[in-house]
Amino acid sequence: QSVLTQPPSVSGAPGQRVTISCTGSSSNIGAGYDVHWYQQLPGTAPKLLIYGNTNRPSGVPDRFSGSKSGTSASLAITGLQAEDEADYYCQSYDRSLSGSVFGGGTKLTVL
Amino acid sequence: EVQLVESGGGLVQPGGSLRLSCAASGFIFSTYWMSWVRQAPGKGLEWVASIKQDGTKKYFVDSVKGRFTISRDNAKNSLYLELNSLRADDTAVYYCARYYYFHMDVWGKGTTVTVSS
Repeated sequence: QSVLTQPPSVSGAPGQRVTISCTGSSSNIGAGYDVHWYQQLPGTAPKLLIYGNTNRPSGVPDRFSGSKSGTSASLAITGLQAEDEADYYCQSYDRSLSGSVFGGGTKLTVL
Repeated sequence: EVQLVESGGGLVQPGGSLRLSCAASGFIFSTYWMSWVRQAPGKGLEWVASIKQDGTKKYFVDSVKGRFTISRDNAKNSLYLELNSLRADDTAVYYCARYYYFHMDVWGKGTTVTVSS
């Protein structure tokens, strides 16, 4: 059981918008720690997608956006493309565990 | 180009040991925290350990405390993870990652550890 909770799967047609939620608690996201998102394409290493709740590293399309409120965060992907099909993970810091924690991951299927 | 390259994975028997290495290049290694993250077959990501720039602070996930050790050699731009008393549930791809403001901004391609008799 992961400390951060994500839906196991989401799907959408090309061009549509999808969101992936990430729910934590008062010892991580609710304590004010930032949420970060990673994209893992099949057979590859994870790649940083969003950091500090809302920031995109250089090279990440603006179709990807992040938000945070209370003990939860969300990743939104607009204009869905076939190459977005991947696993997505949220991550934060947990003060009770004194370490980083990940969500269980969400598999995005582009229909 | 910023790069992390892991090595040292392999097949090891339960109770055995292994030492993973991560060679860093393209950035000033000594100025960054570093971390190890693992991914069991078909499973999600799990943070394993982190180490401060000068090696004076180290943090571990509960499941590896007392069995794994993280270290670094800034002169060699290298990060290490020593795995002892290995169990079947330690089987995973182990990723080296640069740890910057509580997130992993650069990842290696990973090295595979298989614990089996």
